[in-house]
Amino acid sequence: AQSVTQLDSQVPVFEEAPVELRCNYSSSVSVYLFWYVQYPNQGLQLLLKYLSGSTLVKGINGFEAEFNKSQTSFHLRKPSVHISDTAEYFCAVNAFSGYSTLTFGKGTMLLVSP
Amino acid sequence: KAGVTQTPRYLIKTRGQQVTLSCSPISGHRSVSWYQQTPGQGLQFLFEYFSETQRNKGNFPGRFSGRQFSNSRSEMNVSTLELGDSALYLCASSLVYGGTGEQYFGPGTRLTVT
Repeated sequence: AQSVTQLDSQVPVFEEAPVELRCNYSSSVSVYLFWYVQYPNQGLQLLLKYLSGSTLVKGINGFEAEFNKSQTSFHLRKPSVHISDTAEYFCAVNAFSGYSTLTFGKGTMLLVSP
Repeated sequence: KAGVTQTPRYLIKTRGQQVTLSCSPISGHRSVSWYQQTPGQGLQFLFEYFSETQRNKGNFPGRFSGRQFSNSRSEMNVSTLELGDSALYLCASSLVYGGTGEQYFGPGTRLTVT
């Protein structure tokens, strides 16, 4: 079985400051990794994904994430946040199991203030 | 291309009743998964369908069931509703079954049980 830990339930940050949202996972097999964003009263939107290849992946809205296999981490970063980035962010994994099932972390609420 | 659609968006039911939620995947996507999102438990996998067959099931009681039609549209049913079933139910579609687990989510159905 796999599990995902998002170390911070809430991250407050000022507009234009950099931010890092942390994600660690546990799995006995290799995994595919994803970050999703959820705005209020909406579904989940795929931000970025790591499937293979370069460990630094770029996504939409200026976000990027780095896969670190030795530390089993997949932290999400943005060099300069905007008010509109205020939302909940979910890290998810899919194990090489033959299923499409995603295991999610509990989420990190990013609060951007002026 | 239209995204994943879910109907209805909001639903209020009484304890003991049953409910059916509907999901239409992205055109061409053949796999549909369902997730339950609550403040306490976060995002939890319910089941996954491909080619009208349930391929994987999460740890939920038998009151939760689903099906998929030949056009890939899916429905989930919850019988004998309990207060704890109040949640956002999210449907996700993917192009293929298994693979990387990359999924695209609908806006969800907000179910309130009174």
